[in-house]
Amino acid sequence: DVKVTQSSRYLVKRTGEKVFLECVQDMDHENMFWYRQDPGLGLRLIYFSYDVKMKEKGDIPEGYSVSREKKERFSLILESASTNQTSMYLCATRDQETQYFGPGTRLLVL
Amino acid sequence: QKEVEQNSGPLSVPEGAIASLNCTYSDRGSQSFFWYRQYSGKSPELIMFIYSNGDKEDGRFTAQLNKASQYVSLLIRDSQPSDSATYLCAVKDKAAGNKLTFGGGTRVLVKP
Repeated sequence: DVKVTQSSRYLVKRTGEKVFLECVQDMDHENMFWYRQDPGLGLRLIYFSYDVKMKEKGDIPEGYSVSREKKERFSLILESASTNQTSMYLCATRDQETQYFGPGTRLLVL
Repeated sequence: QKEVEQNSGPLSVPEGAIASLNCTYSDRGSQSFFWYRQYSGKSPELIMFIYSNGDKEDGRFTAQLNKASQYVSLLIRDSQPSDSATYLCAVKDKAAGNKLTFGGGTRVLVKP
């Protein structure tokens, strides 16, 4: 069974704080993704990575950065959190045509 | 801007009936089409994908693709209360590499 874990299920941060969201997978998949999900907007791709130390911008990268130092770990960084970054954040890996999602982190920025 | 459109619902379906979900997409270069199911409070999981025009069946689910009209649909036969969830349509084109573009999802309620 593919397992994708995320460091926190719920997180509350203040405006301006630096926020780290971590994602770990145990299936040796090369491709990893960060999405945010907002009501009515579906999932929107923030960043993805197809290999260690490689990253590509998704559709909404502004205000975010990522890090992939090891194959199994993909981190999303909010350099200075803002209230419009309040959302559900989902990490995913990909094996052929299937994306496997983590349980999500619900982030509230006050 | 590539777009994937779905009716947000809710689509209310009696138990045992067929649920029909539609999805339209704007990019004619789209080549692969996916349906994900997402239960409330859970993360999405892949139901099925389709590449070619026509129908593809997997158990009680049938995906239908019409590239000329740029729509893909999902039929759920013999709907069960456990099918109550949000169904997300996603498309991928080769030019976009690994990226999927998701629709907003259709919420389905199956009533006993």
